Amino acid sequence: EAAVTQSPRSKVAVTGGKVTLSCHQTNNHDYMYWYRQDTGHGLRLIHYSYVADSTEKGDIPDGYKASRPSQENFSLILELASLSQTAVYFCASRNDWGPNEVYFGSGTRLTVL
Amino acid sequence: AQSVTQPDARVTVSEGASLQLRCKYSYSATPYLFWYVQYPRQGLQLLLKYYSGDPVVQGVNGFEAEFSKSNSSFHLRKASVHWSDSAVYFCAVSTGGSNAKLTFGKGTKLSVKS
Repeated sequence: EAAVTQSPRSKVAVTGGKVTLSCHQTNNHDYMYWYRQDTGHGLRLIHYSYVADSTEKGDIPDGYKASRPSQENFSLILELASLSQTAVYFCASRNDWGPNEVYFGSGTRLTVL
Repeated sequence: AQSVTQPDARVTVSEGASLQLRCKYSYSATPYLFWYVQYPRQGLQLLLKYYSGDPVVQGVNGFEAEFSKSNSSFHLRKASVHWSDSAVYFCAVSTGGSNAKLTFGKGTKLSVKS
């Protein structure tokens, strides 16, 4: 079964600190995504990648960087965390062919104080 | 660019009642449409999907959805809800193809009263 694993499950960070959220998939999928979930906004796309060593900006990339060192791993980096980045973050993956189904991780709850 | 509107932020129904959650999309070509469900403190799980063919698609746990091109809609239905159906439901649209992006609605929180 398709699997996307995120770490950590939750994190508390200080304003101005650096935060790295990690994602690992065993689906052999080409595409990986980082979404942010806020109450009342649904899910919004931050960054995505369709091949290792390459990332693309999504709809709300400001304040975030992404890294795709291998097909299996995709990280989201907050260089200078801010209060407004408190949210739940989801990683997802999908194939580059077929049904385009997207598989999600369980999420990382980030609180910036 | 595509967009999705879920007009009802919250819906409350009694156990055993029927359910319809509404979804309207905006996309110039034929879209790929999805419904996802999110249970508390979990990720999103795919309920059902539509790509082409029969406009009524069946999903898991008795859910179905109907695609209407004329109304740009993809409403989710269930004949008889159970308390365990309480969750947040997201409608999503994809452009399909290699560089497809999945765009979500804001979600509808379903509460089932026992």
